[in-house]
Amino acid sequence: DTGVSQNPRHKITKRGQNVTFRCDPISEHNRLYWYRQTLGQGPEFLTYFQNEAQLEKSRLLSDRFSAERPKGSFSTLEIQRTEQGDSAMYLCASTPGQGYNEQFFGPGTRLTVL
Amino acid sequence: AQKVTQAQTEISVVEKEDVTLDCVYETRDTTYYLFWYKQPPSGELVFLIRRNSFDEQNEISGRYSWNFQKSTSSFNFTITASQVVDSAVYFCALKGADSSYKLIFGSGTRLLVRP
Repeated sequence: DTGVSQNPRHKITKRGQNVTFRCDPISEHNRLYWYRQTLGQGPEFLTYFQNEAQLEKSRLLSDRFSAERPKGSFSTLEIQRTEQGDSAMYLCASTPGQGYNEQFFGPGTRLTVL
Repeated sequence: AQKVTQAQTEISVVEKEDVTLDCVYETRDTTYYLFWYKQPPSGELVFLIRRNSFDEQNEISGRYSWNFQKSTSSFNFTITASQVVDSAVYFCALKGADSSYKLIFGSGTRLLVRP
């Protein structure tokens, strides 16, 4: 039983470039979450999917951010026109579904915007 | 509004000492869930425990124990006989059952266990 996987693990980009991250949840987990963690802080919620439906988005998710989960399996998070303030660890988590409340996290993608 | 406060930014102990990490939460939900996660230097958040608001029994798992007190809105975590491998950042988190699916995290407590 493999855990949540995320790719890439590290991404360095120049300001203004677009970046895309991928998350593969634990098999058969129908709920998937994205969080952002900056240095010295706890993770902050970005968005949530149940199967392919995006059911909740944080105000942190500006127009430059978009997330998809087209077939209810893996998910992508895209950031357009990156800014230095986007530098953070982007974490993905998944849960099996109703009745489960704990979320299982992946290793994260660390984004550095130069 | 929901909020989790971990007032201890950093704690340093010598191996074999006991250490307690504090967590205070705020929520208006009548049913809610509390969690502790461990984030070692590798960065991956590791789930440690979940506690339901309607179950105030304390829990012990090996060297770990958790003290949930609704009266003081606290969910403290104690490590007995700490080991160097316990060095990590520990996060307390809250999820309301009446509201969204997201976890609200505290800012974390960095624990350093010195040999």
